[in-house]
Amino acid sequence: GAVVSQHPSWVICKSGTSVKIECRSLDFQATTMFWYRQFPKQSLMLMATSNEGSKATYEQGVEKDKFLINHASLTLSTLTVTSAHPEDSSFYICSAIPRSGVIYYEQYFGPGTRLTVT
Amino acid sequence: GENVEQHPSTLSVQEGDSAVIKCTYSDSASNYFPWYKQELGKGPQLIIDIRSNVGEKKDQRIAVTLNKTAKHFSLHITETQPEDSAVYFCAAKAIQGAQKLVFGQGTRLTINP
Repeated sequence: GAVVSQHPSWVICKSGTSVKIECRSLDFQATTMFWYRQFPKQSLMLMATSNEGSKATYEQGVEKDKFLINHASLTLSTLTVTSAHPEDSSFYICSAIPRSGVIYYEQYFGPGTRLTVT
Repeated sequence: GENVEQHPSTLSVQEGDSAVIKCTYSDSASNYFPWYKQELGKGPQLIIDIRSNVGEKKDQRIAVTLNKTAKHFSLHITETQPEDSAVYFCAAKAIQGAQKLVFGQGTRLTINP
């Protein structure tokens, strides 16, 4: 149980275009989903926290107009990188906390999406 | 806010030996401490966690210890195997409130055959 998927697993896009990444909780409903960014050989950097049906909360320094987050349902959150530039190339990882159950604070991560902007 | 320091940044051990990774945290309100294993090109996988009401937890070859007074916690892997090679991250958060995990810098563990 507690599986999180991401799609696509990797994507290449041209500079100036937008790309959407999907994050799904496959076997549970997620109260909260998170989006992280990870550069090579570095730790995970939290970008934003999203709760179903409400606006995402962005971390300091993350441009909300550039990284659009939509948490449309209890099993789906999307991250759209708008007007992508080469410096946006990174590994994007989502995670989710189950809505209910005995262990309500465990956080499960997706497999990540490798974004390359050319 | 919370700050988590992790060391060492790299660790190389012989297969069969034990590996220990240590983390310290700053916020006394933190009460949940998970450990994640990340293989190359993949997302982090939760391998073990501990809450502040427990001093030690063990799951087969993996154990975690917590010293709440000193604000540090450690991951112990015994009888290491080549498949244990990966990057390991510690993290901390307060279960109540914002629920934001704060990660350590990561430890690259290499098991030499």
